[in-house]
Amino acid sequence: DIQMTQSPASLSASLEEIVTITCKASQGIDDYLSWYQQKPGKSPQLLIYDATSLADGVPSRFSGSRSGTQYSLKISRPQVDDSGIYYCLQSYSTPFTFGSGTKLEIK
Amino acid sequence: AVQLVESGGGLVQPKESLKISCAASGFTFSNAAMYWVRQAPGKGLEWVARIRTKPNNYATYYADSVKGRFTISRDDSKSMVYLQMDNLKTEDTAMYYCTAEWVYWGQGVMVTVSS
Repeated sequence: DIQMTQSPASLSASLEEIVTITCKASQGIDDYLSWYQQKPGKSPQLLIYDATSLADGVPSRFSGSRSGTQYSLKISRPQVDDSGIYYCLQSYSTPFTFGSGTKLEIK
Repeated sequence: AVQLVESGGGLVQPKESLKISCAASGFTFSNAAMYWVRQAPGKGLEWVARIRTKPNNYATYYADSVKGRFTISRDDSKSMVYLQMDNLKTEDTAMYYCTAEWVYWGQGVMVTVSS
């Protein structure tokens, strides 16, 4: 099974910062990596797919990148509304696996 | 607009069965791989099951935690996907989401297994 190691578990950031969340895959996943935002009581919302492609309607302050088997989600100049829990997902092979989540607070 | 609406959740006792449904609209359902994902209270996301499309023989895949107990199915004529859950355990208590191609997600349906 492919393990997705997500970090940090939580972070607090200001409106002027650049936020970076990472997921390291235990083996190659050929960029079958997506990022989701989940707010309390809501379903996950797709932000990034295929590691770097921005989903429809998602603000351009969100971006995805890869270095080796480490994938990153970057939020430039986050807004208060970006607070929530972020998950990565590898859909390269079953069992599909999510990262453990990052709780983001924007001050 | 794309919509996925889950239904059929509720409270059941251990070892009982339950079937939850997901009604899809606003996209070509028959072309979409469908998935069930669950989230236990206060926990992260866990993939449960996958069903592919007709050209892929409606192949199904399951997480080890549910294999042999859960069955995913679809009815393309009704744009519906189902999850039949048998021999339920307390650890199956979760919000269950259906998702199309990992892009569109429903609002979820709660399944509680408790005596």
